Amino acid sequence: DGGITQSPKYLFRKEGQNVTLSCEQNLNHDAMYWYRQDPGQGLRLIYYSQIVNDFQKGDIAEGYSVSREKKESFPLTVTSAQKNPTAFYLCASSTAQGAPGNTIYFGEGSWLTVV
Amino acid sequence: AQTVTQSQPEMSVQEAETVTLSCTYDTSENNYYLFWYKQPPSRQMILVIRQEAYKQQNATENRFSVNFQKAAKSFSLKISDSQLGDTAMYFCAFMILGGYQKVTFGTGTKLQVIP
Repeated sequence: DGGITQSPKYLFRKEGQNVTLSCEQNLNHDAMYWYRQDPGQGLRLIYYSQIVNDFQKGDIAEGYSVSREKKESFPLTVTSAQKNPTAFYLCASSTAQGAPGNTIYFGEGSWLTVV
Repeated sequence: AQTVTQSQPEMSVQEAETVTLSCTYDTSENNYYLFWYKQPPSRQMILVIRQEAYKQQNATENRFSVNFQKAAKSFSLKISDSQLGDTAMYFCAFMILGGYQKVTFGTGTKLQVIP
């Protein structure tokens, strides 16, 4: 089935550790996004990528890093520099800009908790 | 910078009644898409309806319709014949076409359908 797969669903991190959240899509989409959602809050953009080997900082990029080595994959690393990483993380993708019927599709999300 | 404002943090509606959720946005761009997404307690983001800015006709999907006022930068969602399954967070989103395809979300409206 076509879609976006995020893993792991739940992740616990010790303070000072880096962790990586996986996001894979088989929709042949060019653009991919990472959002953070805090309890009862909206979605805030962390990073986004239009094409392979290119990505842009969103509104809250500090303490996060990404890579886009393959069209299908857009992993997010939460570094130890992120002071308050406990949140729900959503990966999304969409077709190239201006494509007919362009829509944003989401994965099921990953819960990250700092212990 | 693009912003999306949802001024109603919480709303409630009686089952079978009609409710309207408001959304305003700010942009200097002329070519963009607008979306409404639903997020039930499962946290899965579900597309409700999409509107292309160049289309004057308001989008409709079954019980869901929008009132798109481009000059006023307003994009409200009307839910008719509300059902218990409509209980969820609703997010308004904005996608710029041209340049980097950034997608910005509002802070959400929590809708409770009362039996």
